[in-house]
Amino acid sequence: ETVMTQSPATLSVSPGERATLSCRASQSVSSDLAWYQQKPGQAPRLLIYGASTRATGIPARFRGSGSGTEFTLTISSLQSEDFAVYYCQQYNNWPPMTFGQGTKVEIK
Amino acid sequence: EVQLEESGGGLVQPGGSLRLSCAASGFTFSGHVMNWVRQAPGKGLEWVSYISSSGSAIYYADSVEGRFTISRDNAKNLLHLQMNSLRAEDTAVYYCARVPYISYAMDVWGQGTTVTVSS
Repeated sequence: ETVMTQSPATLSVSPGERATLSCRASQSVSSDLAWYQQKPGQAPRLLIYGASTRATGIPARFRGSGSGTEFTLTISSLQSEDFAVYYCQQYNNWPPMTFGQGTKVEIK
Repeated sequence: EVQLEESGGGLVQPGGSLRLSCAASGFTFSGHVMNWVRQAPGKGLEWVSYISSSGSAIYYADSVEGRFTISRDNAKNLLHLQMNSLRAEDTAVYYCARVPYISYAMDVWGQGTTVTVSS
């Protein structure tokens, strides 16, 4: 099973600042990596797939990068609606598809 | 509008059974792979099961293998998850999620249905 490890667990950021979230895979997943955003009481929302392609309707301030085992989600200028939990997910070595444990982005 | 709506959750005793359903609308359901994903209270996301567009390929997480059965009715635009021998650790919000044509990420999610396993 490919273990996905996200860091940090919690990221405190001021509105307007940049947020950088990391995701590491225990083995190569090529570019088969997605990022999701989840707000309290809501379903996850797809942000990024293929490591760097924004899903439909996702603002350009969300940028995904990386390949192999190291991935990054960068939110260039945090808006109030961006404070949430973010998950990475690999879909290269499956079953099982695996998620990271999440990074909570909170207001500083 | 593309939508998924889960139903069938509830409170069940350990060892009991539940059948979850996911109604799809606004897209060609028969053309898409579907997944079930769950989230235990206060925890992260866990993939549960996968079914191909025709239903010919099915996979499960080890944690549910032999107890859960995924199925679909493409004529009725319905996805199901039959859950037997339920355990306390199966308590979670269960989401159905669509896989788009271009990757195995999950681009459309339902609002979730809550399953509580407790005596």
